[in-house]
Amino acid sequence: DTAVSQTPKYLVTQMGNDKSIKCEQNLGHDTMYWYKQDSKKFLKIMFSYNNKELIINETVPNRFSPKSPDKAHLNLHINSLELGDSAVYFCASNGGAGSRETQYFGPGTRLLVL
Amino acid sequence: AQKITQTQPGMFVQEKEAVTLDCTYDTSDQSYGLFWYKQPSSGEMIFLIYQGSYDEQNATEGRYSLNFQKARKSANLVISASQLGDSAMYFCAMREESNDYKLSFGAGTTVTVRA
Repeated sequence: DTAVSQTPKYLVTQMGNDKSIKCEQNLGHDTMYWYKQDSKKFLKIMFSYNNKELIINETVPNRFSPKSPDKAHLNLHINSLELGDSAVYFCASNGGAGSRETQYFGPGTRLLVL
Repeated sequence: AQKITQTQPGMFVQEKEAVTLDCTYDTSDQSYGLFWYKQPSSGEMIFLIYQGSYDEQNATEGRYSLNFQKARKSANLVISASQLGDSAMYFCAMREESNDYKLSFGAGTTVTVRA
């Protein structure tokens, strides 16, 4: 039943490690996103994919690399993790690019870098 | 420039009363969408309500209604008959074509419902 799912829900790791977060949506949406929510709860878009193609890439360090194997999946790989990467990462999806399209969010992945 | 401004960092409301959360936005697009999301302490982002810039009627969804004043560029969320479960952070957001339809969020307002 879950519309947008993410794994893992919690991720605790050491500085310098490489980790991945997976996202899947079963809504049949074409567009998927990654957002970062910092400690002050501010939400900022990182990436957007439309039908497996990258369409938005905000000024995110290139240690972050999204990968979309198909339009239902958008994974986020992070290399050489830093303390400042600690945040909640949300995956989201919507059906199209119009201003009317509602984005639905996954449950979030809480990343803590020690 | 900030696209979405939520000026109330935190609010308290008595159970069963109504509460209004302020949101003002900045855009020069004619067509845009305004959204409100709820984030409870469990952390998920829950879509509440949508208002299109061309919609003539204010949006309503159950106990949620949106007070849309286009000329003032405001899209305030009204929660009627507050319940304890309404305690959460609420985010106003906007999508506009000139911003590649990216969802721009405000800083959020924390609502605490008191019994």
